[in-house]
Amino acid sequence: EVQLVESGGGLVQPGGSLRLSCAASGFTFSSYEMNWVRQAPGKGLEWVSYISSTNSGSTRYYADSVKGRFTISRDNAKNSLYLQMNSLRAEDTAVYYCAREGSYCSSTTCYEHMDVWGKGTTVTVSS
Amino acid sequence: EIVLTQSPGTLSLSPGERATLSCRASQSVSSGYLAWYQQRPGQAPRLLIYGASNRATGIPDRFSGSGSATDFTLTISRLEPEDFAVYYCQQHGYSPMYTFGQGTKLEMK
Repeated sequence: EVQLVESGGGLVQPGGSLRLSCAASGFTFSSYEMNWVRQAPGKGLEWVSYISSTNSGSTRYYADSVKGRFTISRDNAKNSLYLQMNSLRAEDTAVYYCAREGSYCSSTTCYEHMDVWGKGTTVTVSS
Repeated sequence: EIVLTQSPGTLSLSPGERATLSCRASQSVSSGYLAWYQQRPGQAPRLLIYGASNRATGIPDRFSGSGSATDFTLTISRLEPEDFAVYYCQQHGYSPMYTFGQGTKLEMK
């Protein structure tokens, strides 16, 4: 069964740090690009970060709201995705989901979307 | 940045009825880059439609997607009780890499 399981969420004070993990199983993790997406309480979905599928994770992108504070990484040997979150703010409070990139190109069209999602881990930034 | 606007914000219908959800983009979007997701209360989002009109694996054929350029539609032909949820459209861009619409809540009348 294809599965993503997030962990590492919790309560942290403003200015603090937290490291989220996402354990992948049931598919060849190293072959897939990955994302983090978050959802603030009662709000919609917000893309946070992307990492490419190479072993070194050489291509990474971030939303402007987290750039310079969050770092995405991966360990293909451990089938794991990470999100290091520093300088946390109250507005970072959210459920954080890891999501697999289901992108591919046919002979005529390229498709970009997220085809597998974890159940999420909750981050609360509060004093 | 491309902005996706979904309408209506809330749609009240009964089981068995047809639902039509709209997603309008502020600039043209490649059809291959437009997806729809369903999120039930307390659950993670689930991919329904990718490439504007392709059903994801395991998605019932009562769900269909259509549209191009700036106007996209998700249609549910005959609502089942489990279809009442929030629906998001999403597009792939470059900065930011992905954007989502604000969501349409489909509620039971």
